Amino acid sequence: TQLLEQSPQFLSIQEGENLTVYCNSSSVFSSLQWYRQEPGEGPVLLVTVVTGGEVKKLKRLTFQFGDARKDSSLHITAAQPGDTGLYLCAGASSGGSNYKLTFGKGTLLTVNP
Amino acid sequence: GAGVSQSPRYKVAKRGQDVALRCDPISGHVSLFWYQQALGQGPEFLTYFQNEAQLDKSGLPSDRFFAERPEGSVSTLKIQRTQQEDSAVYLCASRPGGGNYGYTFGSGTRLTVV
Repeated sequence: TQLLEQSPQFLSIQEGENLTVYCNSSSVFSSLQWYRQEPGEGPVLLVTVVTGGEVKKLKRLTFQFGDARKDSSLHITAAQPGDTGLYLCAGASSGGSNYKLTFGKGTLLTVNP
Repeated sequence: GAGVSQSPRYKVAKRGQDVALRCDPISGHVSLFWYQQALGQGPEFLTYFQNEAQLDKSGLPSDRFFAERPEGSVSTLKIQRTQQEDSAVYLCASRPGGGNYGYTFGSGTRLTVV
């Protein structure tokens, strides 16, 4: 069974601060995706990383995939209240079942004005 | 439609009742998935369709859970004889095909079994 552990589980910060969320596993994934979920809504895709060591930037968000494709991080610069939400990482299995995503439990981020 | 549509948004069922949850994927999306999200948890895989074929149902918790997609578009997740442990948000997602496409999720159906 592939497991993804996210840390921290909860994070409450002030507007303008920087933060990093981590996603770790002992398993290798063919790709890793980050989603943001708001209350009462489904997760919304932020990014997909595929290559070990890959770094992608989306405005103030920077995503990195570990060299061994077992871990990932999400860094937010100068957080804003609109960044508040549940951040989920999800790994796609290697091999024939790469359609199946394994999700972490998420990091609940609150950015206070 | 522009997004994945799920109905109903909320469903309260008495224990033992049968329920049916509907998913309208994005038009033309080949792949359709159902996930279950318990409170405070990440979504967990239930089942996967490619067009009308159910290729993986390994995540369905018991034989009370049944999913279908008869014409390769709309899908229905049916739960028979609901139990309290079935209370969760049921998410449907679709994507164009295989590879590294991300999922587009619907808003989910929140099922509460009382």
